[in-house]
Amino acid sequence: AQSVAQPEDQVNVAEGNPLTVKCTYSVSGNPYLFWYVQYPNRGLQFLLKYITGDNLVKGSYGFEAEFNKSQTSFHLKKPSALVSDSALYFCAVRDGNTGGFKTIFGAGTRLFVKA
Amino acid sequence: EAGVTQSPTHLIKTRGQQATLRCSPISGHTSVYWYQQALGLGLQFLLWYDEGEERNRGNFPPRFSGRQFPNYSSELNVNALELEDSALYLCASSEQGALSSYEQYFGPGTRLTVT
Repeated sequence: AQSVAQPEDQVNVAEGNPLTVKCTYSVSGNPYLFWYVQYPNRGLQFLLKYITGDNLVKGSYGFEAEFNKSQTSFHLKKPSALVSDSALYFCAVRDGNTGGFKTIFGAGTRLFVKA
Repeated sequence: EAGVTQSPTHLIKTRGQQATLRCSPISGHTSVYWYQQALGLGLQFLLWYDEGEERNRGNFPPRFSGRQFPNYSSELNVNALELEDSALYLCASSEQGALSSYEQYFGPGTRLTVT
């Protein structure tokens, strides 16, 4: 069965410090992995994706994510957090070997960056 | 390039009425997805349309329905509204096909309030 887990409901970090938002997944085939961000009272925005290739992928707003196949993880990272990064972050996974709709979203992690 | 658009931005209905929400995908995208997000929480998958057909459906009662038009725009209908239907309804679109990586692009949402 396909699933995605975001083990932290909330992450708190001070501005200027590095941040990590965790995501683990389970798929039977090759994973397509995504991160989305939702700012207050707005729709979700696509941040970055991993399909194949380099395990470290870079996305919008200085975010990056590292694909770790052995740990089935795809953690979102940023070297230096900004107050404006405070938002709700969703990890999503799709089984690349199947056709049809199978993109599963995690429950979301709320990031608070304190000045 | 225009993003995903949704209308109306806000919709206020009374219990028992019907609501119609509309979505226009990004040009070239054939798939449209509908999600319900209550109280800024996680995404609950409602419906997926591709090429005019319903491809998948989430765990929602039949009073949630929709359709996709030949120009790939979509409509979500909610009949016999209940108070717990109050939520942000998000529409997303994506490409389909062997060369797609399936990331979804979201609209700003329609805030439905049922009184």
